[in-house]
Amino acid sequence: QKEVEQNSGPLSVPEGAIASLNCTYSDRGSQSFFWYRQYSGKSPELIMSIYSNGDKEDGRFTAQLNKASQYVSLLIRDSQPSDSATYLCAVSALVFGTGTRLLVSP
Amino acid sequence: EPEVTQTPSHQVTQMGQEVILRCVPISNHLYFYWYRQILGQKVEFLVSFYNNEISEKSEIFDDQFSVERPDGSNFTLKIRSTKLEDSAMYFCASSEVPGLGYFGPGTRLTVL
Repeated sequence: QKEVEQNSGPLSVPEGAIASLNCTYSDRGSQSFFWYRQYSGKSPELIMSIYSNGDKEDGRFTAQLNKASQYVSLLIRDSQPSDSATYLCAVSALVFGTGTRLLVSP
Repeated sequence: EPEVTQTPSHQVTQMGQEVILRCVPISNHLYFYWYRQILGQKVEFLVSFYNNEISEKSEIFDDQFSVERPDGSNFTLKIRSTKLEDSAMYFCASSEVPGLGYFGPGTRLTVL
């Protein structure tokens, strides 16, 4: 059974801080990894994809992948209250984590 | 910006009835997916569709479920005989490459 694990949170950070969201996965052969943001009552919105070990930056977001440790993370710099949402880690298109709820306080 | 659309936004049905959920993927996308999300739970993969056939399906996607691409634009999910536990949000997603899914707004299915 392929699993994706995330801390459900909530992760609380003050506005302007860096939020760090983490995810581990069980299938060592996984090749593609995605971070989605989901506001309450809305559909998931794709933020980042990452396929290779290392860091990938897009604006305030940085995804990090370590295949040896089976670990994916998402850093959000200069966090804003509008970033308050649940962040879903997905491995390929097939397995999603339960999500980490992020709360950014003004 | 192109987006995935889904109809209806909310479907209420009686247990045992058939429902068809409809999706219009982004026009140049080749990979199509259905997911469901029971309230308060994680997103669960149901099925993926590529080149007019199912490419992967989960254990949830049993004989009660079927998918079709009846024309060049629509992508449908049919549940033949709904059960109470089928109540959930159903999301369609499409992508240009495998796994990079752009989600539609979802259909909330309520089975009474």
